[in-house]
Amino acid sequence: DSGVTQTPKHLITATGQRVTLRCSPRSGDLSVYWYQQSLDQGLQFLIQYYNGEERAKGNILERFSAQQFPDLHSELNLSSLELGDSALYFCASSVAGTGGLRETQYFGPGTRLLVL
Amino acid sequence: DAKTTQPPSMDCAEGRAANLPCNHSTISGNEYVYWYRQIHSQGPQYIIHGLKNNETNEMASLIITEDRKSSTLILPHATLRDTAVYYCIVRVGDSGGSNYKLTFGKGTLLTVNP
Repeated sequence: DSGVTQTPKHLITATGQRVTLRCSPRSGDLSVYWYQQSLDQGLQFLIQYYNGEERAKGNILERFSAQQFPDLHSELNLSSLELGDSALYFCASSVAGTGGLRETQYFGPGTRLLVL
Repeated sequence: DAKTTQPPSMDCAEGRAANLPCNHSTISGNEYVYWYRQIHSQGPQYIIHGLKNNETNEMASLIITEDRKSSTLILPHATLRDTAVYYCIVRVGDSGGSNYKLTFGKGTLLTVNP
């Protein structure tokens, strides 16, 4: 158990809908990262938040957005869903998000999203 | 971040040591080598990381060559539960506003056989 929690575990929805994935980082971790894992693209970085502020962006679609709240949990919002958005979505957390040996990322169990 | 090259698959007998190689010939001086593994659709699990010295923890050992262009992850006594995809990742470790994302390749599927 990494200490990172994600809800829900599974999500089934229809095209065009909007969903919210939730992540709670390990106690004491200030930085949250979101990754998407699909069959054809592998594990890809989406976005990073550090202490409530966006820190870095990866290959995140404009239909996707995220935020980190004062209690440090994070939500990933996916809208206008398409079939191709079906994937595993992982959240990871690290202590600081500022580099160095404290930057080991610990991953949650993921949310499996199926868009029908 | 430097790219890495790993064999797509490897087999290992239960109880034997599993040695997983990784090439990272373009690694920079401030980049660390990280190893993660993913057991069938679970979240990636951190194993170990290092800069230039060999490292050991309760899970594995990491051997980095002197020129840092390659490394080997060693699982000393592989069990069936070690069957997973193992990812070797090279990532900058210094501060300075950099993006600390992890760039995952395809990894090595290690199958531990009874």
